[in-house]
Amino acid sequence: SAVISQKPSRDICQRGTSLTIQCQVDSQVTMMFWYRQQPGQSLTLIATANQGSEATYESGFVIDKFPISRPNLTFSTLTVSNMSPEDSSIYLCSVVAREYLTYEQYFGPGTRLTVT
Amino acid sequence: AQSVTQPDIHITVSEGASLELRCNYSYGATPYLFWYVQSPGQGLQLLLKYFSGDTLVQGIKGFEAEFKRSQSSFNLRKPSVHWSDAAEYFCAVGDRAGGYNKLIFGAGTRLAVHP
Repeated sequence: SAVISQKPSRDICQRGTSLTIQCQVDSQVTMMFWYRQQPGQSLTLIATANQGSEATYESGFVIDKFPISRPNLTFSTLTVSNMSPEDSSIYLCSVVAREYLTYEQYFGPGTRLTVT
Repeated sequence: AQSVTQPDIHITVSEGASLELRCNYSYGATPYLFWYVQSPGQGLQLLLKYFSGDTLVQGIKGFEAEFKRSQSSFNLRKPSVHWSDAAEYFCAVGDRAGGYNKLIFGAGTRLAVHP
């Protein structure tokens, strides 16, 4: 299993500013994912962050808007840049932990972002 | 393209009643399937998963799900619902394309439980 913590747990930001969200895992993991959950919506994958390589972004998400760092196997950051009210969402960090013939994806508690 | 459909946005049941939440998927190969629960203000918790083998999967909190390939379904069931089961439930399929495993989520089903 994996225990994931995120900082901050919530924040209220002004439009045009940027916020960096931190994700810390209690064990070394290869794959980390960042998801967004807009109000009342499901989860959408933003990008996959693997240590030692550039993050891979999903359609509709770009590096300039959501730069990601992955300096080691237990830590990652997601920055939401030049924020607008449409960026108000819960941002979740996730990791994959492999078990014999299967895997599980664990999620952090999320960062609730409100942009005014 | 891979997708997950949860036809029911909201479901209300009485405490003690049985529950079935529907999930249909579209995936080109044998899917990896998951059910997660999200309680208010909480993160996502894995209820159960299907990778292979027995098509009836047992999970935590008394939940089970049955994989039916012919119907492309993975419905979640519980024989007797408790008030604490009120939450949002997400079905997801694991996408192995591109060499990594990401989850594609359904829209979710919000469960309300009446006393």
